[in-house]
Amino acid sequence: DSGVTQTPKHLITATGQRVTLRCSPRSGDLSVYWYQQSLDQGLQFLIQYYNGEERAKGNILERFSAQQFPDLHSELNLSSLELGDSALYFCASSVVGSIQETQYFGPGTRLLVL
Amino acid sequence: AQKITQTQPGMFVQEKEAVTLDCTYDTSDPSYGLFWYKQPSSGEMIFLIYQGSYDQQNATEGRYSLNFQKARKSANLVISASQLGDSAMYFCAMPGGYNKLIFGAGTRLAVHP
Repeated sequence: DSGVTQTPKHLITATGQRVTLRCSPRSGDLSVYWYQQSLDQGLQFLIQYYNGEERAKGNILERFSAQQFPDLHSELNLSSLELGDSALYFCASSVVGSIQETQYFGPGTRLLVL
Repeated sequence: AQKITQTQPGMFVQEKEAVTLDCTYDTSDPSYGLFWYKQPSSGEMIFLIYQGSYDQQNATEGRYSLNFQKARKSANLVISASQLGDSAMYFCAMPGGYNKLIFGAGTRLAVHP
């Protein structure tokens, strides 16, 4: 158990819908990352937050947004869902987000868009 | 830009034998780290081992060790005394810009009894 929690574990929804994925980092970690794992793209970085502020953006679509709250939990919002958004979404956390730090991953949310 | 290459899509090993999973990388950063993660069929990503570019010795964590060859830009994972529970996908990764992790395509390891 990494100490990072994600809910829900599975999500099935329809095209055009909006969903929210939730992540709680390990106790003491200030930095949260979101990754998407799909069969065709592999593991792709989406976005990073540090202590409530957005720090870096990767290949995140405009239909996707995220935030980190004062209690440090983070939410990833996916809207106008398409079939291609079906993937495993991971949240990871690290202490301050420095380059040599290990990122600990949550169990992931498996999203299926029908 | 950083790049990770894992050239073995699949490997198999006999239980109790050792196995080496290959990883080569490319970076222009003088200071960097290499990470290995395990992803069992249940889906979670489990951190296994880390090697810093300036570490004098190869990293070791239990049955996992890193064969780090800086000049060759390789950071191969060695699993000793393989167990059935080692069957999983294994990913090599390194930090990219802003500390996002860049992952290789992964190697699927099957441990046979």
